[in-house]
Amino acid sequence: DAGVIQSPRHEVTEMGQEVTLRCKPISGHDYLFWYRQTMMRGLELLIYFNNNVPIDDSGMPEDRFSAKMPNASFSTLKIQPSEPRDSAVYFCASKGESSINIQYFGAGTRLSVL
Amino acid sequence: SQQGEEDPQALSIQEGENATMNCSYKTSINNLQWYRQNSGRGLVHLILIRSNEREKHSGRLRVTLDTSKKSSSLLITASRAADTASYFCATDENSGYALNFGKGTSLLVTP
Repeated sequence: DAGVIQSPRHEVTEMGQEVTLRCKPISGHDYLFWYRQTMMRGLELLIYFNNNVPIDDSGMPEDRFSAKMPNASFSTLKIQPSEPRDSAVYFCASKGESSINIQYFGAGTRLSVL
Repeated sequence: SQQGEEDPQALSIQEGENATMNCSYKTSINNLQWYRQNSGRGLVHLILIRSNEREKHSGRLRVTLDTSKKSSSLLITASRAADTASYFCATDENSGYALNFGKGTSLLVTP
């Protein structure tokens, strides 16, 4: 299996632009998670899905952030409009149906908003 | 919100030495896990210990859990240069699968 695949690996954009981050979970995994990592705040859960349905979005910072999972093999995290404080590494992770909460992470997308 | 807090923030040792990292958390947990992150990469699961377990081993890794003190430790024995990475503890509570990560311990193992 190729693991969790994220794209792009790096994104540089200007303030006010729309940014879309993409994630393909491991095939057969029912849960998908979006995390954000910064030096100041560490790793924070933004949202997670089960069977394509958002379960917990309490970590989504504000209305500028939205996440979708149109099918079991694809999810997007969109920021519109982007701001410099959104600069961070965004990780996607997935887990299988088992009750054991071991999550498999992608390599991340490093976002820089200028 | 940050649940786990690792200590120390940074650790530098020589190959062959043991490395010990500690993690404290605040609320009741279901499980506690340790993950490793190499520079510029995603996190990789190392080991999971359930709340009713006190100690667990996996290869050169040893994890302990003290639920009365709300703390855990990760011991890496006979460290290697390839162990250089950041190590994070992560906890989950009884409600849901959200993981709460600490800010990590940065380990440097020099040859």
